[in-house]
Amino acid sequence: DQQVKQNSPSLSVQEGRISILNCDYTNSMFDYFLWYKKYPAEGPTFLISISSIKDKNEDGRFTVFLNKSAKHLSLHIVPSQPGDSAVYFCAASGGSNYKLTFGKGTLLTVNP
Amino acid sequence: GAGVSQTPSNKVTEKGKYVELRCDPISGHTALYWYRQSLGQGPEFLIYFQGTGAADDSGLPNDRFFAVRPEGSVSTLKIQRTERGDSAVYLCASSLMAGANVLTFGAGSRLTVL
Repeated sequence: DQQVKQNSPSLSVQEGRISILNCDYTNSMFDYFLWYKKYPAEGPTFLISISSIKDKNEDGRFTVFLNKSAKHLSLHIVPSQPGDSAVYFCAASGGSNYKLTFGKGTLLTVNP
Repeated sequence: GAGVSQTPSNKVTEKGKYVELRCDPISGHTALYWYRQSLGQGPEFLIYFQGTGAADDSGLPNDRFFAVRPEGSVSTLKIQRTERGDSAVYLCASSLMAGANVLTFGAGSRLTVL
């Protein structure tokens, strides 16, 4: 049973436009959420995170929104750049649990 | 080191062989994690070390998998009697302290079992 779901395997956007990546979760114990970005042949790198006590966290071009009632989070990238093309993983953890549960990832392609 | 270093980057072996994968975490990071990423999937937790001891090995798929961290720094993931289903990218990550949510990952070791 997948506890973190990224239902879109891929997304393609034009440079300069907004990219919106979505993630749903089922485990109510999750209280911390992260987005990781992965380029080919590299390990995942941390991008941005949000605690369940917040509903929004912003860092430059990246904003993560959390809707706890819907068990849904999204990552917005504005404006999108070709260098943002990568696989984006949503991950979650709960309480003092150090384990991260990852989604399957979404491949973002930003076209020049 | 500056980042998490994993060797080998690629390993091809035959079914039934023994394999060791090495992880050198960021200097001073006390927590070390192994994850496995199969094709088309996200990383899945295998084992977590706090210092020298395995604090949680609940993600290891079976007793063919074992990991050690004898001096609290470098860790080795050991796979006995490899099977084709073990083919995956094995990712190591470290964090400064236990319970930290933000992990720094290495580039991974891609294991192919023929």
